[in-house]
Amino acid sequence: AQKVTQAQTEISVVEKEDVTLDCVYETRDTTYYLFWYKQPPSGELVFLIRRNSFDEQNEISGRYSWNFQKSTSSFNFTITASQVVDSAVYFCALSEAHRDDKIIFGKGTRLHILP
Amino acid sequence: GAGVSQSPSNKVTEKGKDVELRCDPISGHTALYWYRQSLGQGLEFLIYFQGNSAPDKSGLPSDRFSAERTGGSVSTLTIQRTQQEDSAVYLCASSLGGTGVYGYTFGSGTRLTVV
Repeated sequence: AQKVTQAQTEISVVEKEDVTLDCVYETRDTTYYLFWYKQPPSGELVFLIRRNSFDEQNEISGRYSWNFQKSTSSFNFTITASQVVDSAVYFCALSEAHRDDKIIFGKGTRLHILP
Repeated sequence: GAGVSQSPSNKVTEKGKDVELRCDPISGHTALYWYRQSLGQGLEFLIYFQGNSAPDKSGLPSDRFSAERTGGSVSTLTIQRTQQEDSAVYLCASSLGGTGVYGYTFGSGTRLTVV
């Protein structure tokens, strides 16, 4: 069955600290996609990254980086030198290519960046 | 349009009334999804359309919920005889092809409050 677990419900860090948001997923499919979305206080979900199951290369985009490890079924997200504007709820999600075309979301991690 | 548009952005209704929520997907996007986000919770899948067809209605929480899509474009989510537990943010997303490879774009949501 599809499942996404974000064990950290809420995290607070001081501005400029690095922070890692954990994501563990479960799937029986060999072809799947993993996503991270940001939900700022405005409520809209903002797409951050999509990674397919065949590409385990880590990715860096500015202050954001993602660590995909199939061996541990994890897709962790790190923000380096955090800023107040990074405060939001972050969702990790999974979509299986050979099943229903829907994304299964984790419950999200609420990140507070303190000035 | 440039993004996924949802209306109304906010809706307050009395218990027992029917409500209609509207979603205008990105032009050309064949797949459309409805999700529900209760306060402080993750995203709960409701229904998925490919064109005008809904192959997966498994997420609709009760027979009070229904959805339709016409012309492969606009979708309406209808909740009959609303209950207080229906209070949530209802999010719509669209996708070019309906699989994870294309990603998903979300609207800003409709915040429904049942009093």
